[in-house]
Amino acid sequence: ETGVTQSPTHLIKTRGQQVTLRCSSQSGHNTVSWYQQALGQGPQFIFQYYREEENGRGNFPPRFSGLQFPNYSSELNVNALELDDSALYLCASSTGTRNEQFFGPGTRLTVL
Amino acid sequence: AQRVTQPEKLLSVFKGAPVELKCNYSYSGSPELFWYVQYSRQRLQLLLRHISRESIKGFTADLNKGETSFHLKKPFAQEEDSAMYYCALGGGSEKLVFGKGTKLTVNP
Repeated sequence: ETGVTQSPTHLIKTRGQQVTLRCSSQSGHNTVSWYQQALGQGPQFIFQYYREEENGRGNFPPRFSGLQFPNYSSELNVNALELDDSALYLCASSTGTRNEQFFGPGTRLTVL
Repeated sequence: AQRVTQPEKLLSVFKGAPVELKCNYSYSGSPELFWYVQYSRQRLQLLLRHISRESIKGFTADLNKGETSFHLKKPFAQEEDSAMYYCALGGGSEKLVFGKGTKLTVNP
């Protein structure tokens, strides 16, 4: 059984740029949640996708958007990057919207 | 609003000593509480959830609704327990609300 994978591992961008982060869910999982983890903080919920539809969103501006594909993999897109967007972005998959979430290793985004 | 507080950023104990990692939550509905752990250079993983009432790796946690707490306990800490521990709150929605985490160090 393959676990949750994320790409890329690390990414450096400059302010104002756009970025796309990718997540492959664990086999058999149909739900993907995205979290932002700033340094010294716990993960903060961005949004969740269930069967290709957004199923809940945290307190993040619209420049954070996402997609889920028919194979249940997912993308997180961030437009107009700001310095405060520098963080570890975690993806988690599950078999349902409120079931145990299995986390990926994260993508470390640095905005200069 | 949902909120999770882990008052200790760092906790250091000696091997064989009891350990308790504190977690308090704020939520008006019926809470679902979790403890997640992240060992060095590994991904975040679920340690235990209150509804299962299990003991995992010797750790237990009891939900106390009166005190709105979900403290994680282990009677005899081991060096391999050294890790980052996060308390998380679910319930009523799809999201998990995490605390800021407690870094546990078990000294030999």
